[in-house]
Amino acid sequence: GAVVSQHPSRVICKSGTSVKIECRSLDFQATTMFWYRQFPKQSLMLMATSNEGSKATYEQGVEKDKFLINHASLTLSTLTVTSAHPEDSSFYICSASLGNQPQHFGDGTRLSIL
Amino acid sequence: QKEVEQNSGPLSVPEGAIASLNCTYSDRGSQSFFWYRQYSGKSPELIMFIYSNGDKEDGRFTAQLNKASQYVSLLIRDSQPSDSATYLCAVTPGGSNYKLTFGKGTLLTVNP
Repeated sequence: GAVVSQHPSRVICKSGTSVKIECRSLDFQATTMFWYRQFPKQSLMLMATSNEGSKATYEQGVEKDKFLINHASLTLSTLTVTSAHPEDSSFYICSASLGNQPQHFGDGTRLSIL
Repeated sequence: QKEVEQNSGPLSVPEGAIASLNCTYSDRGSQSFFWYRQYSGKSPELIMFIYSNGDKEDGRFTAQLNKASQYVSLLIRDSQPSDSATYLCAVTPGGSNYKLTFGKGTLLTVNP
């Protein structure tokens, strides 16, 4: 089955630090990648949709200058949380899809900002 | 506001029983429907997807879709303790590469 790798799995850092999260599709070329955020006991909320070679489309209320997304190739997308603050602490999950195939999720990154 | 509604549970069933999970959605334009399983602290894992009205079976899992009623369900036969997790219903207005709208999930507990 489709494998999506996400790295790192956990980050703990000080307030003001920028954090980069990588999402890779290992055995297929992903035409579209998605970034989600999940707070405790809540469902996944889509942050942005990313297509290779073009600018990401952000959901309403998501600051594009704070959450920088780069989708440089068909197998790699990155999310950079710039100048992270404690309220950015959350579980960040990427997913990838090829054409009409279902989205497959990475293992997620648990971000804790002190 | 496009919404996906699920009973948050917890839904508790004995081992070997059938677990029935339900989901309703508000957007009549929804085309694709997915069930994901999420264990605590982990990311979602695709269980089933269904595009057409009716039933779709895969092993112990059956997805049922009724577009007229805007209702999709997941049946788990012969429930096992390892099935204990949160089950997320997700819909999309187009194909699978469209963004998913998730319900809040139903927590299922299978008791040995």
